[in-house]
Amino acid sequence: DAGVTQSPTHLIKTRGQQVTLRCSPISGHKSVSWYQQVLGQGPQFIFQYYEKEERGRGNFPDRFSARQFPNYSSELNVNALLLGDSALYLCASSLSGGNQPQHFGDGTRLSIL
Amino acid sequence: GQQVMQIPQYQHVQEGEDFTTYCNSSTTLSNIQWYKQRPGGHPVFLIQLVKSGEVKKQKRLTFQFGEAKKNSSLHITATQTTDVGTYFCAGLGNTDKLIFGTGTRLQVFP
Repeated sequence: DAGVTQSPTHLIKTRGQQVTLRCSPISGHKSVSWYQQVLGQGPQFIFQYYEKEERGRGNFPDRFSARQFPNYSSELNVNALLLGDSALYLCASSLSGGNQPQHFGDGTRLSIL
Repeated sequence: GQQVMQIPQYQHVQEGEDFTTYCNSSTTLSNIQWYKQRPGGHPVFLIQLVKSGEVKKQKRLTFQFGEAKKNSSLHITATQTTDVGTYFCAGLGNTDKLIFGTGTRLQVFP
């Protein structure tokens, strides 16, 4: 079975632009979470979705938004990009949420110039 | 908000030596999970602990959840070069937010 897939793998943007990152969960998983990982730090929780409903939101500005589709895939949108948004964005899927093991994708490496 | 700290930040050991990383939460946790991230890779789930005082073993790895459910530890016996990576604990409080710790980076010298 396929694992969690994320696209694109790498992305270069300039300040002020907007970006959309995509995630397809493991088949049968209904929950998707998004994390931001800056080099040398642990993953920082951004959003969790379950059955298309937002279940949790981390301490990120409103420039960050996400949604989950009926097929349980998800998108993370970031508007008005800042240099500090440069990071690895990880998507994780699970059966039902944070109380279950999280299965991570390989991430999208976002660089802001 | 909930914070999860780990110590040490870095640990360099000789192959065959033991290694322990400690995880402390600012709030009581409903469960704690442990992940390993190899350089250039993504976090990989190792184990989940739910009960107060719970101890679980996976071959050379021993995981413990504190009695107060605010701390946890991971102990590796007789490290091998394949153990290299960063070990993260991740705690779930009374919300559905899984908060990752600061991580302990393990380097093993042959």
